[in-house]
Amino acid sequence: LAKTTQPISMDSYEGQEVNITCSHNNIATNDYITWYQQFPSQGPRFIIQGYKTKVTNEVASLFIPADRKSSTLSLPRVSLSDTAVYYCLVGDTHNDMRFGAGTRLTVKP
Amino acid sequence: EPEVTQTPSHQVTQMGQEVILRCVPISNHLYFYWYRQILGQKVEFLVSFYNNEISEKSEIFDDQFSVERPDGSNFTLKIRSTKLEDSAMYFCASSEAGQGSYEQYFGPGTRLTVT
Repeated sequence: LAKTTQPISMDSYEGQEVNITCSHNNIATNDYITWYQQFPSQGPRFIIQGYKTKVTNEVASLFIPADRKSSTLSLPRVSLSDTAVYYCLVGDTHNDMRFGAGTRLTVKP
Repeated sequence: EPEVTQTPSHQVTQMGQEVILRCVPISNHLYFYWYRQILGQKVEFLVSFYNNEISEKSEIFDDQFSVERPDGSNFTLKIRSTKLEDSAMYFCASSEAGQGSYEQYFGPGTRLTVT
């Protein structure tokens, strides 16, 4: 299983764009990159998933460089309600999803 | 929107007692999971279940744990003899079959307190 490394915490202000980078140097050819969000006392919630290049949905964008050894989750114009822990997961099967410590994002007014 | 449900929301039990945590996955999903999260720590994988059998389990999922899909809708986690260190939030999740889509839908969790 590919190991991931993320910053432990990040601070931002309302209205700013936030970019959270995840390193996964030993990502395998078949691995996908998936990001989850977790609020206190709630289960993780899927945000976005990608394999290469760029993926965008109504919530976020995911940028994956050609070597796929890292990925960046981009949250446009964050609000106070985006304060949460964000997890980067890498795997190629339904059994491969292992959560790391995640990045605790704090959005300030 | 379909969602994973879990009962009870909070379970208090005494050390050594058996507990059963219940989950109803999303109806057309075929993969089921249990995770736990000790307060302030990361989400830890316990077990995955597919086609009526365990497909993978972690080192945490020892002989004290078991899972079952007793009917077409429920998915349960049993802890035979609870220990203080089993106190945690337990999350059930489910996902669709198919290559390339590993989005797991998580339930709201059951907070287990062992005294």
